[in-house]
Amino acid sequence: DTEVTQTPKHLVMGMTNKKSLKCEQHMGHRAMYWYKQKAKKPPELMFVYSYEKLSINESVPSRFSPECPNSSLLNLHLHALQPEDSALYLCASSQAQGALTYGYTFGSGTRLTVV
Amino acid sequence: TQLLEQSPQFLSIQEGENLTVYCNSSSVFSSLQWYRQEPGEGPVLLVTVVTGGEVKKLKRLTFQFGDARKDSSLHITAAQPGDTGLYLCAGARNQFYFGTGTSLTVIP
Repeated sequence: DTEVTQTPKHLVMGMTNKKSLKCEQHMGHRAMYWYKQKAKKPPELMFVYSYEKLSINESVPSRFSPECPNSSLLNLHLHALQPEDSALYLCASSQAQGALTYGYTFGSGTRLTVV
Repeated sequence: TQLLEQSPQFLSIQEGENLTVYCNSSSVFSSLQWYRQEPGEGPVLLVTVVTGGEVKKLKRLTFQFGDARKDSSLHITAAQPGDTGLYLCAGARNQFYFGTGTSLTVIP
C-alpha cells in the first residue's frame, strides 16, 4: 500500500460546527503532516507529527487541533472555524521527519468550505 | 521571503509547444523534488534529484539539478492538455520547503 487516504473528500461546515478530518497511511512512515492550501498556491505547513508526537506547530490557531492516535492515523479536529479557513487540507507522510531525501506522499486532500 | 522561487508563476501555452519552469534559491539543498498537482487533488511526486548536475527524464519531462544544488529546472517537450496543473518544486534541508508554484495551462 503506497497511498495516503484522506476522508472526507469534501466538507461543508458552519462556523459553530465541530468536525474532524482523517488521514491514514500503511507505509510504515513515522512522520505525518497537515498542510493547508489555497488555490494555485503552494501548501502551507500546519503541523508535523514524528513518531506519534507533535513535533512542529506552525503557530496555527487553536480552532485547529491535531491528534495522532497511532502511527498510521492522523486527525485534524475543527471547531469554530472562520470563512477564511476554507481551503484544501492535505495530509502527507514521509519515512521520518528528517529523512526527506525522497519527498512526501500526499493524500488527495479534503476540500473544506466554511459557511 | 520564500526560500525557493519558481518562474514563471503562470504559463498558458498551446498544445505541442515546449516550456521550461525554473526553481531557484540562494541555499543549498540535499535533494529537490518536483510535484504536479491537478485541481482538487494532492500533489503527486514526479521526480527526486539528489546529485548536483543530475538530469532525469520522465517521458516528455526533463528535470535538471544545478551543479551547486541550489536550483532546478523542468522542461516539457510537446506539451499536452494532460500536463495542465500546478507544478511545485520542493527542497529538503533541515526541513521541507515548497517553491512558490507554477500554474500551467495547455490549450488544445
